[in-house]
Amino acid sequence: SAVISQKPSRDICQRGTSLTIQCQVDSQVTMMFWYRQQPGQSLTLIATANQGSEATYESGFVIDKFPISRPNLTFSTLTVSNMSPEDSSIYLCSSRGGGNTEAFFGQGTRLTVV
Amino acid sequence: AQSVTQLGSHVSVSEGALVLLRCNYSSSVPPYLFWYVQYPNQGLQLLLKYTSAATLVKGINGFEAEFKKSETSFHLTKPSAHMSDAAEYFCAVRGFGGGATNKLIFGTGTLLAVQP
Repeated sequence: SAVISQKPSRDICQRGTSLTIQCQVDSQVTMMFWYRQQPGQSLTLIATANQGSEATYESGFVIDKFPISRPNLTFSTLTVSNMSPEDSSIYLCSSRGGGNTEAFFGQGTRLTVV
Repeated sequence: AQSVTQLGSHVSVSEGALVLLRCNYSSSVPPYLFWYVQYPNQGLQLLLKYTSAATLVKGINGFEAEFKKSETSFHLTKPSAHMSDAAEYFCAVRGFGGGATNKLIFGTGTLLAVQP
């Protein structure tokens, strides 16, 4: 199994600012994913980030709001841009290696926008 | 399109009682199915997975689930609940193929409470 380190674990941010969340995997993985979990709700996929290509965004999510980087096979970042209180959520990084059927998750970043 | 439906957003059981969390799936291709658990203020931990091998899957912490194609179900059970089982449980589906079916789709979650 992969171990995923995500930071920061939590943050309180002012509206209009941006926050970059980092995700580090302890092994090389083909696919990395970013999810949002709004209070009391399930996980919604924001985008899939494959190394060497542009991230693929799900319906309702756009690159200008959630730019993603994937510089190598062990690291990715998600930026939440121009934040508003509606962006207050838990953001989770996930990875799946080519030989794995299951995905592994980081501990999440609990974001509060005030 | 793939989806999962979890019946019951909240389930409460007594310590020592049977735990049954329900999950029904919809998939146009042979699915992979998963149960994840999320403890308060933590990420998701894989409990068990179905990958088209044995239909009865055993996972960690005494949990198991049975894949029933005829009922399109993958319910999670544990014979005897423990206080430490209190958490939120998510059922998830992923297609066998590539492209859009390769995404992990989550159910809405079931919050399990265990009463002493």
